[in-house]
Amino acid sequence: EIVLTQSPATLSLSPGERATLSCRASQSVSNYLAWYQQKPGQAPRLLIYSTSHRANGIPGRFSGSGSGTDFTLTISSLEPEDFAVYYCQQRSNWPPELSFGGGTKVEIK
Amino acid sequence: QVQLVESEGGVVQPGRSLRLSCAASGFTFNSYGMHWVRQAPGKGLEWVAFIWFDGSKKYYGDSARGRFTISRDNSKNTLYLQMDSLRAEDTAVYYCARDLGSYGGSWFFFDYWGQGTLVTVSS
Repeated sequence: EIVLTQSPATLSLSPGERATLSCRASQSVSNYLAWYQQKPGQAPRLLIYSTSHRANGIPGRFSGSGSGTDFTLTISSLEPEDFAVYYCQQRSNWPPELSFGGGTKVEIK
Repeated sequence: QVQLVESEGGVVQPGRSLRLSCAASGFTFNSYGMHWVRQAPGKGLEWVAFIWFDGSKKYYGDSARGRFTISRDNSKNTLYLQMDSLRAEDTAVYYCARDLGSYGGSWFFFDYWGQGTLVTVSS
């Protein structure tokens, strides 16, 4: 089972600041990694898939990078609507075993 | 627009069964693999199960394997999750979600989600 560890657990920042979220896998997931945003009472929303591809309608301030075991989600300049919890998710090769990280909460400082 | 609407969950006693459904609209349902994902209250996300676009292949997470069954009826644009031998730790919001890929080119990422339905397992 591949375990994803996200850090930090909480990130306190101000609007306009840059956010850098980390996701580390217990073994290589190649580039099979995605990022989701979840706001209270809402379903998650896909932001990034396959490490660096933005999903439809996702603003350019969101970007993803990494490979193997270390991945990063960057929000270049936080907007008020970006304060939320972010999850990374991986799929192993075959058969598919999907798992999520524990989440990083981005809160207003 | 893509819509996924889960049936109402509810309270069920430990050891009993419950079937969830998810009505899909706004896209060609029989072209996409579909997933169930759950989230215990105040906790993170957990993948439950996946079914191929034509129902020919199914995969389960560890917590679901042997107790839950995913299925679909493409004639009704509906996804199902049959949950048997329910336990307190199955208490969660259950989401149906569409796979990013189509026609067997499944990505195992989730691009559209339902609003979720709360299942509470309690005596």
